[in-house]
Amino acid sequence: SQQGEEDPQALSIQEGENATMNCSYKTSINNLQWYRQNSGRGLVHLILIRSNEREKHSGRLRVTLDTSKKSSSLLITASRAADTASYFCSNSGYALNFGKGTSLLVTP
Amino acid sequence: EAQVTQNPRYLITVTGKKLTVTCSQNMNHEYMSWYRQDPGLGLRQIYYSMNVEVTDKGDVPEGYKVSRKEKRNFPLILESPSPNQTSLYFCASRRVGVNEQYFGPGTRLTVT
Repeated sequence: SQQGEEDPQALSIQEGENATMNCSYKTSINNLQWYRQNSGRGLVHLILIRSNEREKHSGRLRVTLDTSKKSSSLLITASRAADTASYFCSNSGYALNFGKGTSLLVTP
Repeated sequence: EAQVTQNPRYLITVTGKKLTVTCSQNMNHEYMSWYRQDPGLGLRQIYYSMNVEVTDKGDVPEGYKVSRKEKRNFPLILESPSPNQTSLYFCASRRVGVNEQYFGPGTRLTVT
């Protein structure tokens, strides 16, 4: 069963704008991770936020976690065309569950 | 270079013809896993392995087998492939205790 559900399914913005995507999950987690996938390629780990953290930054990425709402958001600031990809959230541990992803298109 | 490799990258086969997709990692990772990715369904875990000779089912194990005889290799076996196993397959690995997974480049399988 899928643990995470990303929202929106697709997002189209222009370069320089911020992109926000959300992830809702069903059961309790220890950590929540975000991955990026360029078209047809393997996923690349972006960032992990622990259940006792509320916000985390990494470069142009900002992740928030609200365990009471079982939701997380990923903000990409000052987006670039190279950010065009699909973004997935996932739990951590051995049995991993990924959402269906948000497809982000950044146009010049 | 640290990497996860999969072979073949593309495969077209016929129903019922046994096939194996190989996965190998050079990072001495204990944990390895297989996923399939289908449009509208996202990434779903097939099997995972926490170490040599230790494997467990993920969400969609039916029709697949795996083995973990060596730490670096985790082959995915389709004994009798069917068209509903047409998909994009990914292998991944990570060190136990570290959450970041490293993914292979994917194997696009078509079963006719």
